[in-house]
Amino acid sequence: GENVEQHPSTLSVQEGDSAVIKCTYSDSASNYFPWYKQELGKGPQLIIDIRSNVGEKKDQRIAVTLNKTAKHFSLHITETQPEDSAVYFCAASKDTGNQFYFGTGTSLTVIP
Amino acid sequence: DGGITQSPKYLFRKEGQNVTLSCEQNLNHDAMYWYRQDPGQGLRLIYYSQIVNDFQKGDIAEGYSVSREKKESFPLTVTSAQKNPTAFYLCASSIRRGNRNEQFFGPGTRLTVL
Repeated sequence: GENVEQHPSTLSVQEGDSAVIKCTYSDSASNYFPWYKQELGKGPQLIIDIRSNVGEKKDQRIAVTLNKTAKHFSLHITETQPEDSAVYFCAASKDTGNQFYFGTGTSLTVIP
Repeated sequence: DGGITQSPKYLFRKEGQNVTLSCEQNLNHDAMYWYRQDPGQGLRLIYYSQIVNDFQKGDIAEGYSVSREKKESFPLTVTSAQKNPTAFYLCASSIRRGNRNEQFFGPGTRLTVL
């Protein structure tokens, strides 16, 4: 089955700096990679996703990159703000199934 | 939280009692899921259902049961056989839009077994 690893588990950055979270996956058949943001006591919310036929996708201050050959993908947050503080999860899935496989999460703290 | 409701938000039960967590969605999504979240362990899949009256076990199904009698409802029962039931439980649903399979989550239920 699929195995998704996520690093780092905790990350602290100064407000205005960039944050990068990295994930690797094991199943080369995985082709859809969403990222979720979870605030304390709430359910995860989809913030950006990427498919395997695309190398990079941007949405304002967040971007995701994908390296299919190396089987890793990353979330980049630029100009971080205190409200970016949350736990971020990466996930992987494939068209042939409905299961999503999650990383263990990264707790991001943006220091004002 | 995208049209997925979970109730209650907090639930307390005595050890040895079965408890049922509610999950309802009005998004007309076919697939629904239950995850368990423990600190430092991410999201672990308990059960999922792709259509009404059908469901499959996830990675940690032991001690749990589900039903899917209606498209919009996917209740989870935590039985007394679950050895460590205290956790944050998340329900989700998904839909395929073109070449994307988007999954959305409810707000979660925090279950504490005393």
